[in-house]
Amino acid sequence: DAGITQSPRHKVTETGTPVTLRCHQTENHRYMYWYRQDPGHGLRLIHYSYGVKDTDKGEVSDGYSVSRSKTEDFLLTLESATSSQTSVYFCAISGGRRTEAFFGQGTRLTVV
Amino acid sequence: AQTVTQSQPEMSVQEAETVTLSCTYDTSESDYYLFWYKQPPSRQMILVIRQEAYKQQNATENRFSVNFQKAAKSFSLKISDSQLGDAAMYFCAYPLNRDDKIIFGKGTRLHILP
Repeated sequence: DAGITQSPRHKVTETGTPVTLRCHQTENHRYMYWYRQDPGHGLRLIHYSYGVKDTDKGEVSDGYSVSRSKTEDFLLTLESATSSQTSVYFCAISGGRRTEAFFGQGTRLTVV
Repeated sequence: AQTVTQSQPEMSVQEAETVTLSCTYDTSESDYYLFWYKQPPSRQMILVIRQEAYKQQNATENRFSVNFQKAAKSFSLKISDSQLGDAAMYFCAYPLNRDDKIIFGKGTRLHILP
């Protein structure tokens, strides 16, 4: 199994609080991604990274920020959580478009 | 803009029968790769099969095969001899050439009827 872990696996937080999700890999893959999964929407890209300190926005980036200070870690931050950000969040890693992407176990985030 | 469309939100198939899940995509790129991923109730995403666009031959992995029609921009997944363990969400995915973003379809939930 590819070495990718997400933490936490579950989180309940209050509206307006900041939240940080962590993705850690041991595969030394260049690309890292954050997706959210919602019923009827599939997987939607929030942000992705193509190297240390190199990140770009996805299709649903509003309200989210990311950081990648080391190859192995990719952090997703909700600056001020809202109920619309209740979702399951997946991190993925990839060596490039020719190769398989590997996914973390997902984080179920509930904003109350 | 590149898009990936899965037009069947849900499908059902009798155990041991064959089912085909559809995926269409829109791109101006000529060389690319396409993937099908499976997400069982455990939520873990698993690669099912990969297709290289420059290859004429359709990819096959055991009971899973694709019908890749490049001109029509269609990439359907055929599951033969369906088994109960095939019940899952299936996602079609397309990594973009220009920036390696991976775009997913909305998924098809497959039910296997015993």
